[in-house]
Amino acid sequence: DTEVTQTPKHLVMGMTNKKSLKCEQHMGHRAMYWYKQKAKKPPELMFVYSYEKLSINESVPSRFSPECPNSSLLNLHLHALQPEDSALYLCASSQDPGGGQPQHFGDGTRLSIL
Amino acid sequence: LAKTTQPVSMDSYEGQEVNITCSHNNIATNDYITWYQQFPSQGPRFIIQGYKTKVTNEVASLFIPADRKSSTLSLPRVSLSDTAVYYCLVGEINAGGTSYGKLTFGQGTILTVHP
Repeated sequence: DTEVTQTPKHLVMGMTNKKSLKCEQHMGHRAMYWYKQKAKKPPELMFVYSYEKLSINESVPSRFSPECPNSSLLNLHLHALQPEDSALYLCASSQDPGGGQPQHFGDGTRLSIL
Repeated sequence: LAKTTQPVSMDSYEGQEVNITCSHNNIATNDYITWYQQFPSQGPRFIIQGYKTKVTNEVASLFIPADRKSSTLSLPRVSLSDTAVYYCLVGEINAGGTSYGKLTFGQGTILTVHP
């Protein structure tokens, strides 16, 4: 079992749909992350939130919109996605964003775009 | 951020010790070394982290030579359940600026443990 909970585990959506991915942690961590992982590839960082503020955006297309409502929650809002956006989306958290802090990952949301 | 190079794949047998070496020739003074394990359809799991010399925990050891240009993850007496992808990462300690909190995963090593 992981301490970072992601919902839903699977999501199928059309290119015109709007959906959201959710991530929750109750470890008191103040940094949270979104990664994208394609099959047989390593995870790629998308966004970093530090103390509930967006600190890193890795040039992610605007059809992905992150949100951090509070220190325990992280959302990723999806709109007008493309088939190539099909992937495993991983959320992670760490005690703080400084280097040296291990990141705790959820088991991801498997997203399929029709 | 320092680039890492690992073997694409390795094979081993149950009960053997496995050593996976990672090269990071341009590692910086403030960089630390971290290893993660990932099973299919799961998120990566932290294994071990170090800065220099040797670090050991209940699941693995991490050997880092004095020049820190490489590191070796050692898994003692592997079992079938150790079959996974292992990632070596290098990141800054107490970094500021644009790399703060940023982890860059390399391609990883696919370890297959055979009966």
